[in-house]
Parts: sequence; C-alpha cells; structure tokens
Amino acid sequence: DGGITQSPKYLFRKEGQNVTLSCEQNLNHDAMYWYRQDPGQGLRLIYYSQIVNDFQKGDIAEGYSVSREKKESFPLTVTSAQKNPTAFYLCASSIPGTGVLPQHFGDGTRLSIL
Amino acid sequence: SQELEQSPQSLIVQEGKNLTINCTSSKTLYGLYWYKQKYGEGLIFLMMLQKGGEEKSHEKITAKLDEKKQQSSLHITASQPSHAGIYLCGADADMRFGAGTRLTVKP
Repeated sequence: DGGITQSPKYLFRKEGQNVTLSCEQNLNHDAMYWYRQDPGQGLRLIYYSQIVNDFQKGDIAEGYSVSREKKESFPLTVTSAQKNPTAFYLCASSIPGTGVLPQHFGDGTRLSIL
Repeated sequence: SQELEQSPQSLIVQEGKNLTINCTSSKTLYGLYWYKQKYGEGLIFLMMLQKGGEEKSHEKITAKLDEKKQQSSLHITASQPSHAGIYLCGADADMRFGAGTRLTVKP
C-alpha cells in the first residue's frame, strides 16, 4: 500500500545535538511538507518542497534544515539552534494540481528534550 | 496573513446527536480543507471545498463553504464514537490551519 512513513515514532534530543527525522513516501507525489504541531495548536509549516532539489521556508523555518535529493525522501534536521524543539512533527505530501495543502500525512514523530 | 478560527474549541455530544463545527477566516476563502486527526496520529484528509456555496459529503460528514461569511461549516449527522477526534480546517491562502476542534462522542 502507498503511503508516507515517518521514523522514528519517538525521538529524544540532548542539549546541543542535531537530530534528523526521516520521511519517505511511495505515492510518487512531487510536493512534500514538514509541519510542527504543539498542544492545542494547529499545524505550522516548517519547510515545503515542490520538486526535487528545491525547497522553500515556511513560517517557522529557523532552527530547522531540509534536503530533497530524491523524490521519495524529505528528511528534516532539527538543529541545536532550535531552542524549543519539543513538539509533534508531521510530514505530508500532495497530489499535483489538487490545491496547495497536502492530502496525505505520515503518522508523525514526537520529539522531546532530554 | 490569513487567520483561521475554529469554534467551538471542544465539543462533547451524546452518540446519535448531530453537531456542527465552524471555521471562520479573516480573508476570502478560496480553497478550504477539512481534516480529522486521532490523538498522536497524522491527519486524515476529509474533503476540500473550492467555491462559495459548494457542499460536499463524506459518509455522515457534510461540509459547506459560505464565501460571503468567509466561513465553512462541518456537520456530522447521527454522531458515533468513531467520529471522535480533532477536526482541523486549512486554507490554501497562506497555507494555514485552524487550531482544531476536539470532538468527544459519549456512547
């Protein structure tokens, strides 16, 4: 079955450490997204990519970095510059030509500070 | 930037009752999306509304876009425990989401 796989499901970060969240999709979608969700809040866009080797910053890109070397993969690195990384992170993808927001989401990675 | 406000923030209903969730925008709505999220999981896309007056249904869930009011409503008929979760709206303009409405359905 096609879908989006995020790993790991839970992740712990030490002070000063960079961590990378994995996102892989086998839906053949061009566009991929990373969102952050905090308790009681909606999703906030971190980065999005509409095509391989290209990506744009979202509303809260500071302290995060991404790469898009392959169509199916869009990893997110949470750097030590992100001072409040504890949140639920969601990766998503969209079908071309069906609007701006994504239709498919992974099951998320919950990141906590040690 | 566009702000999306959802109301109510939370809702508790008895199984079998109907309910309505609203999503109000500070700007004209062009593309409005509805999603459902179970706690700790990803979002499930329910439907997208593109034109004023448009109405779509997904099983017992109906959503409508009122362009003049800059509002979309999501209506659930004869609610069931399986409808419980967080419902979020999202808009194409500015690619933003509302904060969500937490729905509890009591058996």
